[in-house]
Amino acid sequence: DIQMTQSPSSLSASVGDRVTISCRANQSISTYLNWYQQKPGKAPKVLIYAASSLQSGVPSRFSGGGSGTDFTLSISSLQFEDFATYHCQQSYTTPWTFGQGTNVEIK
Amino acid sequence: QVQLQESGPGLVKPSGTLSLTCAVSGGSISSSNWWSWVRQSPGKGLEWIGEIYHSGSANYNPSLKSRVTISVDKSKNQFSLKLTSVTAADTAVYYCARYCSGGTCYSFDYWGQGTLVTVSS
Repeated sequence: DIQMTQSPSSLSASVGDRVTISCRANQSISTYLNWYQQKPGKAPKVLIYAASSLQSGVPSRFSGGGSGTDFTLSISSLQFEDFATYHCQQSYTTPWTFGQGTNVEIK
Repeated sequence: QVQLQESGPGLVKPSGTLSLTCAVSGGSISSSNWWSWVRQSPGKGLEWIGEIYHSGSANYNPSLKSRVTISVDKSKNQFSLKLTSVTAADTAVYYCARYCSGGTCYSFDYWGQGTLVTVSS
């Protein structure tokens, strides 16, 4: 199985801050990497697919980058509604695997 | 707009079988997508259980493969999950989701709301 490791596991930030979350795969997955946002009691929602493509309807303050084994999700100016847990997921090969999640909290 | 809705018992006894169904609306289960089950244990990350195509072809997570069966009912536009010999470790929120596959789309783009299944006597 491909292992996905996110860092940090949690972070505290203020509205307006720029936030970056990292995701590392234990083998190369090209750009087969997706990012999801999950709010408490809700299902995950895809934000970024294929490492850097913005899902339709997702605000442009979200961006993704990277290839191979190292990837990032950035939020350019954190908004109140962005406080949530973010998950990365590899779509290179089954079993599809997720990172452990990064909880973005209000500072 | 595709919508998915999970249904099934919220409480299962240890050593029993967990059975859930996902009803798909707003789209056909016979489209060129895979249909998945994903679970999330309390306070934990997301774990992919398996997926099925409308042809009946299925893929499973090796960690659960010996206990999992996913099936599809095209006439009802739904798919189902059976997990046998459950223990407390199988207590989780279970989500059904569509895995889009085609072009540049390789992600879980539609999800059900999730259903909590507790394994307890």
